Amino acid sequence: AQSVTQPDARVTVSEGASLQLRCKYSYSGTPYLFWYVQYPRQGLQLLLKYYSGDPVVQGVNGFEAEFIKSNSSFHLRKASVHWSDSAVYFCAVSADTGNYKYVFGAGTRLKVIA
Amino acid sequence: EAAVTQSPRNKVAVTGGKVTLSCNQTNNHNNMYWYRQDTGHGLRLIHYSYGAGSTEKGDIPDGYKASRPSQENFSLILELATPSQTSVYFCASGRRASDYTFGSGTRLLVI
Repeated sequence: AQSVTQPDARVTVSEGASLQLRCKYSYSGTPYLFWYVQYPRQGLQLLLKYYSGDPVVQGVNGFEAEFIKSNSSFHLRKASVHWSDSAVYFCAVSADTGNYKYVFGAGTRLKVIA
Repeated sequence: EAAVTQSPRNKVAVTGGKVTLSCNQTNNHNNMYWYRQDTGHGLRLIHYSYGAGSTEKGDIPDGYKASRPSQENFSLILELATPSQTSVYFCASGRRASDYTFGSGTRLLVI
């Protein structure tokens, strides 16, 4: 069975600082990995996804993530955050077979301060 | 533009009442899903469907039913709503894991 752990429920960073949001997954096969962002009272927006190839994948708005198979991790990074990045970020895993269900982490609430 | 549309956007229901949440997709995807979002849990799968006439139990199906009368429509039904079902519900469609589209969500308050 798949599972996702986002160990940091809340993260606060200063505007202009770098960011890393952690995600560890559990899945015995080849995972499909995703990062989503949710702004207040809105739906989910896909930031990036990974299945194969270059383990560093680029997403929207300057976000990137690195797949490290040996560590079962898929951490999200951004070089310089902006106040508008304040939101909740979800990591998710899926299998590219079967019912294609997504298993989500609990989310990390990011607050960017001046 | 292909999309997933949920209705209503907001709903207040009475304990013990029946609630139906609707989802319509124009993506022509075979697979559709209902998730609920709760703080501390992320999104969890309630029911899903492989196509018209098909419904399958997800990870947390208790207290919910689903209906898929057509390729485009997938409903989530709470026959006897309880306050513990207060949540935000998301519908999604997808052909494979790589091409999910989520709806905007329905906020349900059961009082």
